[in-house]
Amino acid sequence: DTEVTQTPKHLVMGMTNKKSLKCEQHMGHRAMYWYKQKAKKPPELMFVYSYEKLSINESVPSRFSPECPNSSLLNLHLHALQPEDSALYLCASSQETLAGGSEQFFGPGTRLTVL
Amino acid sequence: QKEVEQDPGPLSVPEGAIVSLNCTYSNSAFQYFMWYRQYSRKGPELLMYTYSSGNKEDGRFTAQVDKSSKYISLFIRDSQPSDSATYLCAMSRAGGFKTIFGAGTRLFVKA
Repeated sequence: DTEVTQTPKHLVMGMTNKKSLKCEQHMGHRAMYWYKQKAKKPPELMFVYSYEKLSINESVPSRFSPECPNSSLLNLHLHALQPEDSALYLCASSQETLAGGSEQFFGPGTRLTVL
Repeated sequence: QKEVEQDPGPLSVPEGAIVSLNCTYSNSAFQYFMWYRQYSRKGPELLMYTYSSGNKEDGRFTAQVDKSSKYISLFIRDSQPSDSATYLCAMSRAGGFKTIFGAGTRLFVKA
């Protein structure tokens, strides 16, 4: 199974709402990622978890809060977002190896609209 | 100068044509090279993954890496309308989780 799943597929929220995005993989991968992608732009890295510990935070505003409950799950908690945060949010996973390299497998994404 | 340069296109070709997509990069530490295909409003799909220099073939797709020139290519043979998508090159260095993406090339294959 080479699949990364994400829920929900679409999300519309107001600027005062709190919501969460969820991601799951069953490939035994130990690294998981959150990306943000605006229209006609490449994915921008937000966070990386390695062995359930936060390894990389690309200076993302605190209104985005990641969580890795276990090796298969990754959440992104959203609070007090701005309309400019509207984007496609992508989850990815990769198998961590000592040699490195990051062949990442992406989920279908959650399309977020902030009103 | 961006670490990875990719012409955003659009590139329009007739069905059956051979498509050549390219990226150049500046960081000689990159060792892992990927090509992703992304349909509109979908997540990127990994097409090809290569380590260091050389060629790799998978069906109608061939990936080439020339580390001496810091240049990578993806060739699509017998292109089909279903190949119409955005193609993203991506690369990373050993021991790193950070993948650097190109801007993506929008490809249209006309029937």
